[in-house]
Amino acid sequence: AQKITQTQPGMFVQEKEAVTLDCTYDTSDPSYGLFWYKQPSSGEMIFLIYQGSYDQQNATEGRYSLNFQKARKSANLVISASQLGDSAMYFCAMRGSNTGNQFYFGTGTSLTVIP
Amino acid sequence: DGGITQSPKYLFRKEGQNVTLSCEQNLNHDAMYWYRQDPGQGLRLIYYSQIVNDFQKGDIAEGYSVSREKKESFPLTVTSAQKNPTAFYLCASSPRGTYNSPLHFGNGTRLTVT
Repeated sequence: AQKITQTQPGMFVQEKEAVTLDCTYDTSDPSYGLFWYKQPSSGEMIFLIYQGSYDQQNATEGRYSLNFQKARKSANLVISASQLGDSAMYFCAMRGSNTGNQFYFGTGTSLTVIP
Repeated sequence: DGGITQSPKYLFRKEGQNVTLSCEQNLNHDAMYWYRQDPGQGLRLIYYSQIVNDFQKGDIAEGYSVSREKKESFPLTVTSAQKNPTAFYLCASSPRGTYNSPLHFGNGTRLTVT
């Protein structure tokens, strides 16, 4: 069974500090992709970063990086130098090679950046 | 610019009425999806379609119907059989069959039924 778990319902971080949002997953697919999305209060879902299961290096996109530990089945999102505009819901998602048209989402983490 | 357009942004209906939410994409994606989101909650899959004239039920399909007559369009009808239709609805699309492609989302439709 495919499953994404985000255990942090809410997180707070001081402006300019780094923060890590946790995501663990479970899949039997031999290959898979892991995705992070940001959802501000306006509601749109913004794609942030992607990590493939066979990628040797952790993905990075600007201030976002993905701490991928395959053996632990974790794909944590790291946001460096937090900004007030980072306050939002963050969702981890997965898509597998055998279930390629289905996406599995976690329940999300609400991040609040404190000035 | 390529993207997904959902309309309208806000929709108000009386209980007992069917209502159709529009979703159009010009990304040339085969797969399209409808998700429901309740306040403070995650996304739940209603329906998805991999190709034209084909669609599958998701986790919460009861009270909803869809059609996929064109590649670009995937409208969702919320019927009077849906017990709690008030929610935020997100449409998305993706290339079919490739696990490394993300979902692209529309901006959503906020439906309120009174």
